[in-house]
Amino acid sequence: AQKITQTQPGMFVQEKEAVTLDCTYDTSDPSYGLFWYKQPSSGEMIFLIYQGSYDQQNATEGRYSLNFQKARKSANLVISASQLGDSAMYFCAMSRLNTGFQKLVFGTGTRLLVSP
Amino acid sequence: ETGVTQSPTHLIKTRGQQVTLRCSSQSGHNTVSWYQQALGQGPQFIFQYYREEENGRGNFPPRFSGLQFPNYSSELNVNALELDDSALYLCASSSGPESSNQPQHFGDGTRLSIL
Repeated sequence: AQKITQTQPGMFVQEKEAVTLDCTYDTSDPSYGLFWYKQPSSGEMIFLIYQGSYDQQNATEGRYSLNFQKARKSANLVISASQLGDSAMYFCAMSRLNTGFQKLVFGTGTRLLVSP
Repeated sequence: ETGVTQSPTHLIKTRGQQVTLRCSSQSGHNTVSWYQQALGQGPQFIFQYYREEENGRGNFPPRFSGLQFPNYSSELNVNALELDDSALYLCASSSGPESSNQPQHFGDGTRLSIL
């Protein structure tokens, strides 16, 4: 079974600073993908970044980067130069790959508040 | 590119009733997944539809059922509603179950309240 753990219920950061949101995972599958989603108060889950278990380099997408440490089973999200619009819930999720269907397993999320 | 759309946005039902939630997938996507998100929790996978058939299911009872239509849109049906069914129901579309390394794209969700 797969499991995602997000131990930070809430994080505070000042505008323009960087922030790291923690995510650890547990799986016995050799092939898996890790995803980060942002959920504003409107409810929509917005895809941010993806990391495959066999990817050699850490993923980056604009201000988002994923600090992937496979041996430690962690996939932390780093947001650089925080903006007020970054205030939202952030979810880490994982999925087995090459199974014929994609089921995302989510953590409980971290609420990020960006202050001016 | 048209995104994932869900209807209705809000719904109030009473225990024992039945409900149908609807989802139109993003253009170019042929796979639809449904998730239940209780307050303060992460989304939980209900099931996935591909080529009009259920392609995978989470730990939900049979009173949760679904359909997918030839245009790839989908319905989630819940019978005999219980208080614990109160949640945000999210629909997500993707480009096919073989593309499991591609992200699922979510709609805004339907918030269901059971009285």
